[in-house]
Amino acid sequence: QVQLQQSGPGLLKPSQTLSLTCAISGDSVSSNSVVWGWIRQSPSRGLEWLGRTYYRSKWYNDYAESVKSRISINSDTFKNQFSLQLNSVTPEDTAVYYCARYGSVWSFDYWGQGTLVTVSS
Amino acid sequence: DIVMTQTPLSSPVTLGQPASISCRSSQSLVHSDGNTYLSWLQQRPGQPPRLLIYKISNRFSGVPDRFSGSGAGTDFTLKISRVEAEDVGVYYCMQATQLPLSFGGGTKVEIK
Repeated sequence: QVQLQQSGPGLLKPSQTLSLTCAISGDSVSSNSVVWGWIRQSPSRGLEWLGRTYYRSKWYNDYAESVKSRISINSDTFKNQFSLQLNSVTPEDTAVYYCARYGSVWSFDYWGQGTLVTVSS
Repeated sequence: DIVMTQTPLSSPVTLGQPASISCRSSQSLVHSDGNTYLSWLQQRPGQPPRLLIYKISNRFSGVPDRFSGSGAGTDFTLKISRVEAEDVGVYYCMQATQLPLSFGGGTKVEIK
């Protein structure tokens, strides 16, 4: 059974960096048959895909244009986890952030529990 | 980018009665490999989304058979044959045919 456990701070000030980690159990971050992603949800923007990372002999990343200049998704094979960094946050980045696995069923089949991140001065 | 539009926004349903949700994409979701990567997810209050249906009509593991998906091209439908109390929540369609992945705005299913 795949489980994703998120961790990271929930309160940030404007201009700070959002850092969240998603620890994986029951699968490998370097599996060559799945993709790992970050999605956020807010009342104003709904569900918004932020980006993904995956391993196919080497690491690949794709990011949403809306955050491309500020985002980084990295993997740690030793700890079997992947992380999200979003720089220079503003109140518009306030949302619940989810990590998720895009699996062999070609959709997000497993999700983390979600982390509410609030950006406020 | 592909825009996903769901109707209705809200669907009050009597227990045991059917419910239907529509999802329309701004362009065809048929991938160059011939597959259509349209999924349906359910989100109960306070929970992360949960996968119900993938590739238009395939039920994910453990999903009751009262849930069914259909459609093609740009028009898709999720049906619940007989709504149960545990089906209350918001339902989203999602496309993974083209980056960026995108979601519909959601349809809230509630009991009358």
